[in-house]
Amino acid sequence: DIVMTQSPDSLAVSLGERATVSCKSSQSVLASSNNKNYLAWYQQKSGQPPKLLIYWASTRESGVPDRFSGSVSGTDFTLTISSLQAEDVAVYYCQQYYSTPPTFGQGTKVEIK
Amino acid sequence: EVQLVESGGGLVQPGGSLRLSCAASGFTFSGYWLHWVRQVPGKGLVWVSRINSDGSSTSYADSVKGRFTISRDNAKNTLYLQMNTLRVEDTAVYYCARVQWGSLDNWGQGTLVTVSS
Repeated sequence: DIVMTQSPDSLAVSLGERATVSCKSSQSVLASSNNKNYLAWYQQKSGQPPKLLIYWASTRESGVPDRFSGSVSGTDFTLTISSLQAEDVAVYYCQQYYSTPPTFGQGTKVEIK
Repeated sequence: EVQLVESGGGLVQPGGSLRLSCAASGFTFSGYWLHWVRQVPGKGLVWVSRINSDGSSTSYADSVKGRFTISRDNAKNTLYLQMNTLRVEDTAVYYCARVQWGSLDNWGQGTLVTVSS
């Protein structure tokens, strides 16, 4: 199984500041057939189901604010919130869908400082 | 609007059975793969099972293989998870989710399964 490791487990950022969540996969999730990384990011607010933010590592889901962005370097993935808003308080999960079983990171809790 | 609504959760004793349902609307159900994902309250997301669009192919997490069965009825726009020989560690909120481009683009609100004596 591919292990997804997120860091940090939690972070507190001031309103309007940048928040960065990291995710590392234990092996490549890059498909040579289409040159796409099979990596998604989800946001889960308290008491709600997860919501898809980003797929293919950097493609924003329709309706997701452009302050959310995803990037990749090898097996290291980053979710960046460029200017943290109060409504962004949530737990963020990365997930690989390159191979079965699909696996999630342990989650990163983002709070307001 | 895409909607996924889970039902069938509840309290069951260890060794018991439950069948979860996920009623779908707002999209062409038969055209999509679907997954079950579970979450112990306060903990992370754990994949449980998936089924392809016509029900001919399924996969399971090792922790539920041989005990859980995923199925679907495309005529009724409904996904199922038959859970047998339940264990205390199966206690969780169970979500159904739709697959788009491999990722899970729509999730239900979840149904809580509690396994306890």
